[in-house]
Amino acid sequence: SAVISQKPSRDICQRGTSLTIQCQVDSQVTMMFWYRQQPGQSLTLIATANQGSEATYESGFVIDKFPISRPNLTFSTLTVSNMSPEDSSIYLCSVVITVGNTIYFGEGSWLTVV
Amino acid sequence: GESVGLHLPTLSVQEGDNSIINCAYSNSASDYFIWYKQESGKGPQFIIDIRSNMDKRQGQRVTVLLNKTVKHLSLQIAATQPGDSAVYFCAEKWNTGFQKLVFGTGTRLLVSP
Repeated sequence: SAVISQKPSRDICQRGTSLTIQCQVDSQVTMMFWYRQQPGQSLTLIATANQGSEATYESGFVIDKFPISRPNLTFSTLTVSNMSPEDSSIYLCSVVITVGNTIYFGEGSWLTVV
Repeated sequence: GESVGLHLPTLSVQEGDNSIINCAYSNSASDYFIWYKQESGKGPQFIIDIRSNMDKRQGQRVTVLLNKTVKHLSLQIAATQPGDSAVYFCAEKWNTGFQKLVFGTGTRLLVSP
């Protein structure tokens, strides 16, 4: 398995501000992803974080709103920009580890926008 | 569409019973399926997976069944315990260029003592 650390774990943010979430993995990974889970709902893929290049975004998500970096194999950041109350969600980092090719999730970053 | 649906949004069982959670997936080309458990306030926890070249896989107290003919996946939990109470998600891995993982809507399992 893998230990996936996300920071912050929780935050309350002011409308109009931006927040950067960090994801650090303790294992060698092949792929990293960012998901959003709105209250009471399932998980929706935001983007695939690509090492050293621009992330690949899913339909409905854009780089200006959710800029993503992945400077190396085991670290990625997701920024939620110009936040509104509709951005209140859990943001989850997910990885595919090299050994076993299984997909694991972090504990999530629980954001509330007021 | 891009969805993996579940038949029962909430399943209530008695402690000691066997639980069955069902899932219908959408993409016949998906080759890998995973069940996750999500407890309140936590991220999804990997339970068990199965590849499309199998129709059954067993773990500790859990069994996953895959029926590719009707695109159906199920999770069976034996001797359900109160600690099994959580939301369970099935997910399928699409074999697009970046191997996207698509999640179902989730089933809440409530286990009464």
